[in-house]
Amino acid sequence: DGGITQSPKYLFRKEGQNVTLSCEQNLNHDAMYWYRQDPGQGLRLIYYSQIVNDFQKGDIAEGYSVSREKKESFPLTVTSAQKNPTAFYLCASKPRARDYEQYFGPGTRLTVT
Amino acid sequence: DQQVKQNSPSLSVQEGRISILNCDYTNSMFDYFLWYKKYPAEGPTFLISISSIKDKNEDGRFTVFLNKSAKHLSLHIVPSQPGDSAVYFCAASGVGSGNTPLVFGKGTRLSVIA
Repeated sequence: DGGITQSPKYLFRKEGQNVTLSCEQNLNHDAMYWYRQDPGQGLRLIYYSQIVNDFQKGDIAEGYSVSREKKESFPLTVTSAQKNPTAFYLCASKPRARDYEQYFGPGTRLTVT
Repeated sequence: DQQVKQNSPSLSVQEGRISILNCDYTNSMFDYFLWYKKYPAEGPTFLISISSIKDKNEDGRFTVFLNKSAKHLSLHIVPSQPGDSAVYFCAASGVGSGNTPLVFGKGTRLSVIA
Protein backbone atom coordinates (compact mmCIF):
# COMPACT_ATOMS: atom_id res chain seq x y z
CA ASP A 1 0.00 0.00 0.00
CA GLY A 2 1.40 3.37 -1.00
CA GLY A 3 0.96 6.27 1.33
CA ILE A 4 2.26 8.61 3.98
CA THR A 5 2.75 7.34 7.49
CA GLN A 6 3.18 9.39 10.61
CA SER A 7 4.04 7.79 13.89
CA PRO A 8 3.03 7.74 16.59
CA LYS A 9 -0.59 8.92 16.42
CA TYR A 10 -0.36 10.43 19.92
CA LEU A 11 2.80 11.65 21.61
CA PHE A 12 3.29 13.01 25.11
CA ARG A 13 6.35 14.87 26.31
CA LYS A 14 7.46 16.91 29.26
CA GLU A 15 8.24 20.56 28.77
CA GLY A 16 11.91 21.16 27.99
CA GLN A 17 12.40 17.96 26.03
CA ASN A 18 13.05 17.79 22.31
CA VAL A 19 10.84 15.38 20.38
CA THR A 20 11.06 14.07 16.82
CA LEU A 21 7.97 13.33 14.75
CA SER A 22 8.29 10.75 12.02
CA CYS A 23 7.02 11.13 8.44
CA GLU A 24 7.65 8.45 5.83
CA GLN A 25 6.24 8.11 2.32
CA ASN A 26 6.60 5.32 -0.22
CA LEU A 27 4.98 7.27 -3.06
CA ASN A 28 8.32 8.32 -4.57
CA HIS A 29 7.29 11.94 -4.08
CA ASP A 30 9.92 14.63 -4.39
CA ALA A 31 8.39 17.32 -2.18
CA MET A 32 7.44 17.01 1.47
CA TYR A 33 5.84 19.43 3.94
CA TRP A 34 5.15 19.88 7.63
CA TYR A 35 2.10 21.75 8.87
CA ARG A 36 0.73 22.48 12.27
CA GLN A 37 -2.99 22.72 13.02
CA ASP A 38 -4.35 24.60 16.02
CA PRO A 39 -8.04 25.22 16.71
CA GLY A 40 -9.26 28.13 14.61
CA GLN A 41 -5.87 28.59 12.98
CA GLY A 42 -6.07 26.39 9.94
CA LEU A 43 -2.93 24.75 8.56
CA ARG A 44 0.28 26.68 9.04
CA LEU A 45 3.45 25.71 7.18
CA ILE A 46 6.47 24.89 9.32
CA TYR A 47 9.08 23.57 6.87
CA TYR A 48 9.15 22.11 3.39
CA SER A 49 11.59 20.24 1.19
CA GLN A 50 11.42 20.04 -2.58
CA ILE A 51 14.38 17.71 -3.05
CA VAL A 52 16.63 15.55 -0.92
CA ASN A 53 19.21 17.40 1.18
CA ASP A 54 17.37 20.70 0.76
CA PHE A 55 14.63 22.35 2.82
CA GLN A 56 13.14 25.80 3.41
CA LYS A 57 11.50 27.50 6.35
CA GLY A 58 7.79 28.04 6.26
CA ASP A 59 5.74 30.66 8.08
CA ILE A 60 6.30 29.35 11.61
CA ALA A 61 9.72 27.62 11.59
CA GLU A 62 10.97 29.01 14.91
CA GLY A 63 11.55 26.26 17.46
CA TYR A 64 11.51 23.49 14.84
CA SER A 65 14.15 21.70 12.80
CA VAL A 66 14.03 19.17 9.96
CA SER A 67 16.27 16.99 7.85
CA ARG A 68 15.84 15.39 4.43
CA GLU A 69 18.58 12.82 4.08
CA LYS A 70 16.40 10.35 2.21
CA LYS A 71 13.67 10.95 -0.33
CA GLU A 72 11.11 8.97 1.63
CA SER A 73 11.72 10.51 5.05
CA PHE A 74 11.22 14.02 6.44
CA PRO A 75 11.40 14.00 10.26
CA LEU A 76 10.43 17.07 12.27
CA THR A 77 12.08 17.89 15.60
CA VAL A 78 10.13 20.05 18.01
CA THR A 79 12.73 21.68 20.20
CA SER A 80 12.40 23.10 23.69
CA ALA A 81 12.60 26.55 22.09
CA GLN A 82 9.10 26.13 20.62
CA LYS A 83 6.88 28.08 23.00
CA ASN A 84 3.57 26.35 22.29
CA PRO A 85 4.38 22.88 20.97
CA THR A 86 1.06 21.21 21.79
CA ALA A 87 -0.73 20.85 18.45
CA PHE A 88 -1.76 18.46 15.71
CA TYR A 89 1.11 18.00 13.24
CA LEU A 90 0.51 17.04 9.63
CA CYS A 91 3.00 15.83 7.07
CA ALA A 92 2.26 16.07 3.36
CA SER A 93 3.94 15.26 0.08
CA LYS A 94 3.46 15.78 -3.62
CA PRO A 95 4.97 14.01 -6.64
CA ARG A 96 7.02 16.92 -7.91
CA ALA A 97 7.56 20.38 -6.52
CA ARG A 98 5.69 21.87 -9.49
CA ASP A 99 2.55 19.78 -8.91
CA TYR A 100 -0.35 21.37 -7.09
CA GLU A 101 -2.11 18.64 -5.15
CA GLN A 102 -0.60 17.65 -1.83
CA TYR A 103 -1.30 14.35 -0.10
CA PHE A 104 -1.49 14.32 3.67
CA GLY A 105 -0.57 11.78 6.29
CA PRO A 106 -2.87 10.92 9.22
CA GLY A 107 -1.20 13.36 11.62
CA THR A 108 0.43 13.21 15.06
CA ARG A 109 -1.13 14.80 18.10
CA LEU A 110 1.67 16.13 20.32
CA THR A 111 0.90 17.10 23.89
CA VAL A 112 3.57 18.80 25.98
CA THR A 113 2.95 19.29 29.69
CA ASP B 1 -1.63 39.01 6.63
CA GLN B 2 -3.95 36.28 5.55
CA GLN B 3 -3.81 35.63 1.83
CA VAL B 4 -6.60 33.06 1.88
CA LYS B 5 -9.64 33.79 4.02
CA GLN B 6 -12.57 31.65 5.00
CA ASN B 7 -14.72 34.08 6.92
CA SER B 8 -17.31 31.61 8.14
CA PRO B 9 -15.88 29.39 10.88
CA SER B 10 -18.95 27.18 10.80
CA LEU B 11 -22.02 26.34 8.75
CA SER B 12 -25.06 24.18 9.48
CA VAL B 13 -27.20 22.76 6.70
CA GLN B 14 -30.12 20.37 6.56
CA GLU B 15 -29.55 17.03 4.89
CA GLY B 16 -30.53 17.18 1.23
CA ARG B 17 -30.06 20.94 0.95
CA ILE B 18 -27.19 22.80 -0.68
CA SER B 19 -24.06 23.70 1.29
CA ILE B 20 -22.11 26.72 0.09
CA LEU B 21 -18.65 27.32 1.51
CA ASN B 22 -16.87 30.53 0.63
CA CYS B 23 -13.26 31.53 0.26
CA ASP B 24 -11.61 34.86 -0.57
CA TYR B 25 -8.02 35.50 -1.54
CA THR B 26 -5.89 38.59 -1.80
CA ASN B 27 -2.94 37.53 -3.96
CA SER B 28 -3.76 37.99 -7.64
CA MET B 29 -0.81 35.76 -8.54
CA PHE B 30 -2.61 32.66 -7.28
CA ASP B 31 -3.52 30.54 -10.29
CA TYR B 32 -4.76 27.28 -8.82
CA PHE B 33 -7.19 26.60 -6.02
CA LEU B 34 -8.02 23.45 -4.09
CA TRP B 35 -10.53 22.32 -1.51
CA TYR B 36 -9.64 19.79 1.15
CA LYS B 37 -11.93 17.99 3.56
CA LYS B 38 -10.78 17.05 7.06
CA TYR B 39 -12.27 14.84 9.72
CA PRO B 40 -11.12 15.20 13.36
CA ALA B 41 -7.74 13.63 14.14
CA GLU B 42 -7.17 12.72 10.49
CA GLY B 43 -5.20 14.25 7.65
CA PRO B 44 -7.00 16.39 5.06
CA THR B 45 -8.08 14.70 1.86
CA PHE B 46 -8.24 16.39 -1.52
CA LEU B 47 -11.75 17.12 -2.72
CA ILE B 48 -11.75 19.25 -5.86
CA SER B 49 -9.65 21.91 -7.56
CA ILE B 50 -9.90 24.63 -10.17
CA SER B 51 -7.43 26.42 -12.37
CA SER B 52 -7.65 30.17 -12.76
CA ILE B 53 -8.38 29.76 -16.46
CA LYS B 54 -11.74 28.22 -15.57
CA ASP B 55 -14.73 29.57 -13.69
CA LYS B 56 -16.34 26.27 -12.76
CA ASN B 57 -15.35 22.70 -12.07
CA GLU B 58 -17.77 19.93 -11.18
CA ASP B 59 -17.26 16.49 -9.70
CA GLY B 60 -20.38 14.64 -8.70
CA ARG B 61 -22.09 16.47 -5.84
CA PHE B 62 -19.24 18.97 -5.57
CA THR B 63 -18.84 22.10 -7.70
CA VAL B 64 -16.29 24.84 -7.27
CA PHE B 65 -16.90 28.28 -8.73
CA LEU B 66 -14.17 30.87 -9.25
CA ASN B 67 -14.74 34.60 -9.67
CA LYS B 68 -11.32 36.02 -10.46
CA SER B 69 -12.41 39.64 -10.58
CA ALA B 70 -13.79 39.35 -7.06
CA LYS B 71 -10.97 37.06 -5.90
CA HIS B 72 -13.60 34.71 -4.58
CA LEU B 73 -14.30 31.04 -4.85
CA SER B 74 -17.03 28.87 -3.45
CA LEU B 75 -17.65 25.18 -2.97
CA HIS B 76 -21.18 23.92 -3.51
CA ILE B 77 -22.26 20.55 -2.18
CA VAL B 78 -25.62 19.32 -3.34
CA PRO B 79 -27.36 17.41 -1.96
CA SER B 80 -25.61 17.62 1.41
CA GLN B 81 -25.26 14.38 3.34
CA PRO B 82 -24.44 13.72 7.01
CA GLY B 83 -21.09 12.22 5.95
CA ASP B 84 -20.15 15.62 4.54
CA SER B 85 -19.87 16.95 8.08
CA ALA B 86 -16.20 17.94 8.38
CA VAL B 87 -13.88 20.92 8.24
CA TYR B 88 -13.30 22.23 4.73
CA PHE B 89 -10.09 24.05 3.86
CA CYS B 90 -9.60 26.28 0.88
CA ALA B 91 -6.02 26.39 -0.47
CA ALA B 92 -4.27 28.38 -3.15
CA SER B 93 -1.06 28.12 -5.11
CA GLY B 94 0.47 30.24 -7.74
CA VAL B 95 3.19 32.34 -9.19
CA GLY B 96 2.82 30.28 -12.35
CA SER B 97 3.51 26.84 -10.97
CA GLY B 98 3.02 24.57 -8.01
CA ASN B 99 6.54 25.20 -6.78
CA THR B 100 5.27 27.39 -3.99
CA PRO B 101 3.64 25.60 -1.05
CA LEU B 102 -0.11 25.72 -0.76
CA VAL B 103 -1.54 28.56 1.31
CA PHE B 104 -4.50 27.44 3.39
CA GLY B 105 -7.46 29.26 4.86
CA LYS B 106 -8.50 28.68 8.46
CA GLY B 107 -11.27 26.31 7.48
CA THR B 108 -15.06 26.14 7.75
CA ARG B 109 -16.72 23.48 9.87
CA LEU B 110 -19.74 22.09 8.05
CA SER B 111 -22.44 20.30 10.00
CA VAL B 112 -25.09 18.49 7.99
CA ILE B 113 -28.12 17.82 10.12
CA ALA B 114 -30.23 14.77 9.39
